[in-house]
Amino acid sequence: NAGVTQTPKFQVLKTGQSMTLQCAQDMNHNSMYWYRQDPGMGLRLIYYSASEGTTDKGEVPNGYNVSRLNKREFSLRLESAAPSQTSVYFCASSLSRQNYGYTFGSGTRLTVV
Amino acid sequence: KNEVEQSPQNLTAQEGEFITINCSYSVGISALHWLQQHPGGGIVSLFMLSSGKKKHGRLIATINIQEKHSSLHITASHPRDSAVYICAVRNLGNEKLTFGTGTRLTIIP
Repeated sequence: NAGVTQTPKFQVLKTGQSMTLQCAQDMNHNSMYWYRQDPGMGLRLIYYSASEGTTDKGEVPNGYNVSRLNKREFSLRLESAAPSQTSVYFCASSLSRQNYGYTFGSGTRLTVV
Repeated sequence: KNEVEQSPQNLTAQEGEFITINCSYSVGISALHWLQQHPGGGIVSLFMLSSGKKKHGRLIATINIQEKHSSLHITASHPRDSAVYICAVRNLGNEKLTFGTGTRLTIIP
């Protein structure tokens, strides 16, 4: 089925470890996004990529880096994980930033101990 | 004050009841989204509205731009409607999406 695929679904890291969350979409969407979801808060934008080759910071970019590898793939990297990064991470895509239809991945539940 | 406020935060109802979830926002918007998040976490887009009303099956979404308010209605509710419903607004100008904290709906058989 067409959509947004995120891996892994679950991950436990020790403080200071690094990891990359992978995201791929097969809908030929131009824009891709990384959000985090924390209890009692709405989803918050970490980084987005309006088109292949561009990335921009969102509301909460500190501690993260991203790579728009090609039109399909947008990865999120934690270089040195901290307990404050324990969260559920969602990748999403849309045809463009102005196009209103969003498709979300199934989420990655990350725990940093 | 959050830019997007949803009410109620939690709602429990009997199967068959008519459900209303509200969303108020304080900024100028170009569109409003309603999303559904099931236990297990996946998020599905239900509606995008910029004016008026939209209907899909038993779900109806309305928006009043002047009053900065939107409602999501579910008719003939069913236990499978149990989920968190999230309102998100797209800010005019910067196209940024701002999300509400969600309404947790539980439908009891």
